[in-house]
Amino acid sequence: KQEVTQIPAALSVPEGENLVLNCSFTDSAIYNLQWFRQDPGKGLTSLLLIQSSQREQTSGRLNASLDKSSGRSTLYIAASQPGDSATYLCAVGGNNRLAFGKGNQVVVIP
Amino acid sequence: KAGVTQTPRYLIKTRGQQVTLSCSPISGHRSVSWYQQTPGQGLQFLFEYFSETQRNKGNFPGRFSGRQFSNSRSEMNVSTLELGDSALYLCASSLAPARGTYNEQFFGPGTRLTVL
Repeated sequence: KQEVTQIPAALSVPEGENLVLNCSFTDSAIYNLQWFRQDPGKGLTSLLLIQSSQREQTSGRLNASLDKSSGRSTLYIAASQPGDSATYLCAVGGNNRLAFGKGNQVVVIP
Repeated sequence: KAGVTQTPRYLIKTRGQQVTLSCSPISGHRSVSWYQQTPGQGLQFLFEYFSETQRNKGNFPGRFSGRQFSNSRSEMNVSTLELGDSALYLCASSLAPARGTYNEQFFGPGTRLTVL
């Protein structure tokens, strides 16, 4: 069974700092890895999708890397803004399902 | 293109009742998955449907069931509701690749179910 871990559960950073969020998974036989953003009481917004054959993906201020062999992914958010405050979820795709971590709750302090 | 829609957005039920939630996928998406999100367990996979057939099932009791219609819309049903069923139920759709691969999932806003 795939286990996905995100540590820390919560973190606060001053506005302008770079954010680094880590995700680890136990089974390297994955098809892809997706990073999502969730605002309180809302659904999930897909941020980045990395296929298993890729090492990283970039979109604007966001960059995600994937190291399948070590079972790790990292999401970088450059120059954080108060609007980046949300919960970020890492999800590993395989077997026609996503296995989720419990998320990193991020607060960006103005 | 319209996103994934879910109805209703909020529901309040009492223990022992049953409930049906609805999900309309993005146009052209044929795979629909359902997830339950609770503060304690996080997001957990319920089941996935493709071409009106359940392709995959998570580890939930038989009280949780679903179906998919020919237009790819999906419903999930929970019978004999328990307090622990209170959760945000999320639906996701994707283009359906061949079995054994996996595409990007797009999520709806969810249905917040409260069981009293």
